[in-house]
Amino acid sequence: EVQLVESGGGLVKPGGSLRLSCAASGFTFNTYSMNWVRQAPGKGLEWVSSISSTSSYIYYADSVKGRFTISRDNAKNSLYLQMNSLRAEDTAVYYCASLIQQPKWGQGTLVTVSS
Amino acid sequence: QSALTQPRSVSGSPGQSVTISCTGTSSDVGGYNYVSWYQQHPGKVPKLMIYDVTKRPSGVPDRFSGSKSGNTASLTISGLQAEDEADYYCCSYAGSYTWVFGGGTKLTVL
Repeated sequence: EVQLVESGGGLVKPGGSLRLSCAASGFTFNTYSMNWVRQAPGKGLEWVSSISSTSSYIYYADSVKGRFTISRDNAKNSLYLQMNSLRAEDTAVYYCASLIQQPKWGQGTLVTVSS
Repeated sequence: QSALTQPRSVSGSPGQSVTISCTGTSSDVGGYNYVSWYQQHPGKVPKLMIYDVTKRPSGVPDRFSGSKSGNTASLTISGLQAEDEADYYCCSYAGSYTWVFGGGTKLTVL
């Protein structure tokens, strides 16, 4: 069974940092590009960042460029998102997802940026 | 990185058919056959309904179908049921490992 399990969300003050993790199982993680997608409260889905299977290619949405860093560890079947200089508008549920072929999503982890 | 354009809302009566459109550009919807559709009920995780424009995952009723013409993709739900009432999002590959979502469409079953 394919599983993507996010962790690391929580409450953080503006300007703070947080690191999200995503543990993958049930598929050959190291052959898939991976993504982070977020959804602010009451809003739609927003693609945040992607990383190719070997980490050779990394891309970010303009809204997070320069503040967020995506990475992966294929030996651990894990995906990460380091989030720095957090803003109130980064408050959202963050999903780990493979969007290619038959898409797979995790259950999400809530990040709240508030003083 | 402009969002795909979806109608904000659509509605239909039980048993009817509804179609939700998703308009992009030749750089995303029109350029690749990687359009997917998600159903999201309040407080729930998005559920994959259609991927690769027309493919349906196992377990999704065949009342749901996808298509694409030019820069516009469409999700058609036939034989509308009360449980189909939800938000629907389209998603398209936009090249260079990037993706773009539609703004979402609220489906109301009258």
